[in-house]
Amino acid sequence: GEEVAQTPKHLVRGEGQKAKLYCAPIKGHSYVFWYQQVLKNEFKFLISFQNENVFDETGMPKERFSAKCLPNSPCSLEIQATKLEDSAVYFCASSPLREVYGYTFGSGTRLTVV
Amino acid sequence: DQQVKQNSPSLSVQEGRISILNCDYTNSMFDYFLWYKKYPAEGPTFLISISSIKDKNEDGRFTVFLNKSAKHLSLHIVPSQPGDSAVYFCAASANSGAGSYQLTFGKGTKLSVIP
Repeated sequence: GEEVAQTPKHLVRGEGQKAKLYCAPIKGHSYVFWYQQVLKNEFKFLISFQNENVFDETGMPKERFSAKCLPNSPCSLEIQATKLEDSAVYFCASSPLREVYGYTFGSGTRLTVV
Repeated sequence: DQQVKQNSPSLSVQEGRISILNCDYTNSMFDYFLWYKKYPAEGPTFLISISSIKDKNEDGRFTVFLNKSAKHLSLHIVPSQPGDSAVYFCAASANSGAGSYQLTFGKGTKLSVIP
């Protein structure tokens, strides 16, 4: 399809629980990007993939966060042992190019850690 | 350390008048700039962009101006329409070095166009 599909739309987790977010990129787009938006503020880059390979992970927290893009599966972002500060909207974007002008964003997953 | 700054959290404009949204940046490696529009519960949608080799880019009612020496860009919307009411994010990217191929966003400006 022509949209980036993110699921679930909302996710509530107790502190210490695991959270897993999914992103299905637009068919034919080789690049996937994850961004975190905390408290409606600026978006923070987390990680990008070229197909199933990590392209840039300079924004990923060293602990608790991991991400994968496997063939024929939605990409995923997993947070182990969630903390209150992980509450945010997580946006995924896909692009046919590595350059930033090709992005199409999904509508995001709102993660609330209680 | 905020590299892209939108100093006005909100802006109200009368329908039919010009809306001017401003953005400043500090990283001299940035060479591509974009404006995104965002409605609640939706992802950002691309509006217009400009490369650092230009100082102006126009698309219909939307014009982006870039002043490299001042590290400042602005988005002009003329005439403003009620459907333009949204949060506008300025974003920047570098094509080389640290931060290349990723976007650095400002905090956004909420535009309200009053009928």
